[in-house]
Amino acid sequence: AQSVSQHNHHVILSEAASLELGCNYSYGGTVNLFWYVQYPGQHLQLLLKYFSGDPLVKGIKGFEAEFIKSKFSFNLRKPSVQWSDTAEYFCAVNGGGRRALTFGSGTRLQVQP
Amino acid sequence: SQTIHQWPATLVQPVGSPLSLECTVEGTSNPNLYWYRQAAGRGLQLLFYSVGIGQISSEVPQNLSASRPQDRQFILSSKKLLLSDSGFYLCAWSVRGPTYYEQYFGPGTRLTVT
Repeated sequence: AQSVSQHNHHVILSEAASLELGCNYSYGGTVNLFWYVQYPGQHLQLLLKYFSGDPLVKGIKGFEAEFIKSKFSFNLRKPSVQWSDTAEYFCAVNGGGRRALTFGSGTRLQVQP
Repeated sequence: SQTIHQWPATLVQPVGSPLSLECTVEGTSNPNLYWYRQAAGRGLQLLFYSVGIGQISSEVPQNLSASRPQDRQFILSSKKLLLSDSGFYLCAWSVRGPTYYEQYFGPGTRLTVT
């Protein structure tokens, strides 16, 4: 069975600080990886995705994530956060032909101005 | 462009009452459709998915059921709600095909069972 772990449940940063949110998954086969973001009062929306190719993927709003297969990780990064990045971030994985996503429990990011 | 609608946006129902949540997708044909539940402080849990009209797969046994009466309509139901059914219910769709595609989520329905 697939599972996703997000170890940081609540992160508080000041504006301009760098961000790294951890995501580890358990599945030995080929995986597709995603980061979703849910801004306050808004839909869950796709931030970035990895299917294959370059393990460093860039998403919207300056976010990027690196797929490290040997570590089963797909950490989300941003060099300098803004107050508008305050949101909940979810890592998700799909693999083995499974039709749906397996989500982590989410990380709530609070950016202080 | 594709849009996904869910209603109602919020719902407060007593224990033992029935439930019907509706999800419709516009701007695409033959989508895969999904129902997730997000409990407070937890991630999203897949409840049901559908690859076509009348085709429903259940991920978690519970007192909820799903139906897909039309290609772009997905309904989540219950005959008798439990307190534990409270949560945020999200509908999602994805393109159907040989390769997996990302999912797109609706605005959700917040259900409180009292």
